[in-house]
Amino acid sequence: EPEVTQTPSHQVTQMGQEVILRCVPISNHLYFYWYRQILGQKVEFLVSFYNNEISEKSEIFDDQFSVERPDGSNFTLKIRSTKLEDSAMYFCASYLDLSYEQYFGPGTRLTVT
Amino acid sequence: DQQVKQNSPSLSVQEGRISILNCDYTNSMFDYFLWYKKYPAEGPTFLISISSIKDKNEDGRFTVFLNKSAKHLSLHIVPSQPGDSAVYFCAASGGRRTSGSRLTFGEGTQLTVNP
Repeated sequence: EPEVTQTPSHQVTQMGQEVILRCVPISNHLYFYWYRQILGQKVEFLVSFYNNEISEKSEIFDDQFSVERPDGSNFTLKIRSTKLEDSAMYFCASYLDLSYEQYFGPGTRLTVT
Repeated sequence: DQQVKQNSPSLSVQEGRISILNCDYTNSMFDYFLWYKKYPAEGPTFLISISSIKDKNEDGRFTVFLNKSAKHLSLHIVPSQPGDSAVYFCAASGGRRTSGSRLTFGEGTQLTVNP
């Protein structure tokens, strides 16, 4: 069964460093998303991406964040200068245009020290 | 952001009995609702969904009910099994009314099914 994959599973970085989180969505899906979940809080939407551009972003997704689909399979989230409060689980999701059922990857745990 | 709310942080039921998980929403623009199940250290797994034009959707042991006038939905699991023990998230989408179809999640309910 096709699945969304994410790498790495755990990333530890120092404050102020850049990180890139990687995702491989399900191959025939057209819409791609990043969400995050800070420990003890809700899963929060960050950004959606369709047709090689951002279609919607939340107020969390400021200039420190960017997304890219560099080739036909990968979808990346970059945080330019990490802050302590960026520590969270980051989930990638994708879906096909026929339904709104988003399929999530296993997540990347980002720890900023 | 209180647009989707799950008021019960936890629920404990006996194996074989019914589990009922509840969810309330406030945004009338939501027109598609989903339930996800999540185990520790894993991503949310899609379980079942319902469009706002329906009031019930069933898939095996799982049934979702939608009461639009009350802005309330519930997930019924019958019969409950120990393997159902997980955190259950309710999520809502604006569907085609909004671009991107972002999901707005509730806080989650930890379901424990006791053998």
